Formats: sequence, structure tokens, C-alpha cells
Amino acid sequence: GENVEQHPSTLSVQEGDSAVIKCTYSDSASNYFPWYKQELGKGPQLIIDIRSNVGEKKDQRIAVTLNKTAKHFSLHITETQPEDSAVYFCAASIPEYGNKLVFGAGTILRVKS
Amino acid sequence: EAQVTQNPRYLITVTGKKLTVTCSQNMNHEYMSWYRQDPGLGLRQIYYSMNVEVTDKGDVPEGYKVSRKEKRNFPLILESPSPNQTSLYFCASILRVKGAEQYFGPGTRLTVT
Repeated sequence: GENVEQHPSTLSVQEGDSAVIKCTYSDSASNYFPWYKQELGKGPQLIIDIRSNVGEKKDQRIAVTLNKTAKHFSLHITETQPEDSAVYFCAASIPEYGNKLVFGAGTILRVKS
Repeated sequence: EAQVTQNPRYLITVTGKKLTVTCSQNMNHEYMSWYRQDPGLGLRQIYYSMNVEVTDKGDVPEGYKVSRKEKRNFPLILESPSPNQTSLYFCASILRVKGAEQYFGPGTRLTVT
């Protein structure tokens, strides 16, 4: 089945710097790759997603890139702010199981002011 | 407001005492799912449901049961909880469209002593 690996497990950056989180997946049939942000005491919330027919997608300070050949995708956060501090999860979708998502282990992002 | 609700939010119980965690969504979503979140493991799917009366096992179904008698509700049942089921549980729902956004509930922190 699908396996998603996520790195790094923790990331500390200075406010204003960029942060990059990387994920690799194993099932070449996966075609949907969302990123979730989880704040303390809350459920994961979708922040951006990308589908396999697109190589890059941006939404203000957040961008996601996808390399289907290498089977990896990355989250880029520019001009980080303290409120970006949270746990971030990547996921991959297995089409044959409808909307099943397989998640990476998560990255704790700390933005130091 | 579109939302997924879970109850209770926190629960401490003893080994073997049956419990139910309720999940309800108000978005008329067909697909609902339960995940457990453990440190270093991300979110792992326990059970999912494609629609009313249609449920299936996820990646870690042992020790859990679910039912889907109505579209909006998807309770998680632990018939005989054990300490290894101590975890943070999330319910999620999604429109039955491939690659659609999953909405997560706020989570239920369960401790089994």
C-alpha cells in the first residue's frame, strides 16, 4: 500500500525566514496531495493541496511543488510568522479507495521571533 | 457553519469498559472516516464509511467498531478498551469526490488505564 515519508520531524526558523517541508510517496497511482496544519488542541485543517496534473501551486505565502517522476512534494512557507508555528502533515490520496488519505508523520514547525 | 463535531473531547476510562465516541457532520457528506494520531506516526485510518450502511476497515481497525445508520453520524465504538488505544482520535468527513477537502473534527483525547 501507499507509504508517505515526511522530513524533517522538527523545524525551527527565525521569523521572516522560509521553511520547507518535504514528503515522498510510494504509490505512483496517487493523484491528490494535501497539506494540513494542526494547531494545539485542534483538528488538522487543509491549507493547500495539489493534484497530479499540476507541478506547483501558490496561495499567498504558501506554495506546494510536486515532482511526479521522483514521487515527492514539498511545502514552502515564505516570510514565516509566529502564527505559522504548528504541526504540518502531508498526505497522499489513493484513488482506488475513494478518498482515503495516507499521512506523513508530521513536522513540528517553530517560528522564533 | 460547516463543521464536524465529536464528543466527548476528553475521556479517561479503565480497561474493558465499553465506550462510544460520537461524530456528527452537518455538510451532507457521504464519506466519513476515523483516524488515530500517535506521536511520530501521523494520522492512521481506523475505519471509513462511503455512505449509509457501508463501512470498511482502514489500516488499524483492531479493537474498534463503527456504524453508519444515518448520513450525518459515524460513532466509534471500543467494546473492550485497552491501554494501547490511548490516543488522540479524529473524525473526518468529505464529499464523495476524489480529491475533495476532508474536514476534521476537533479531536477526542482518550486515556485508557
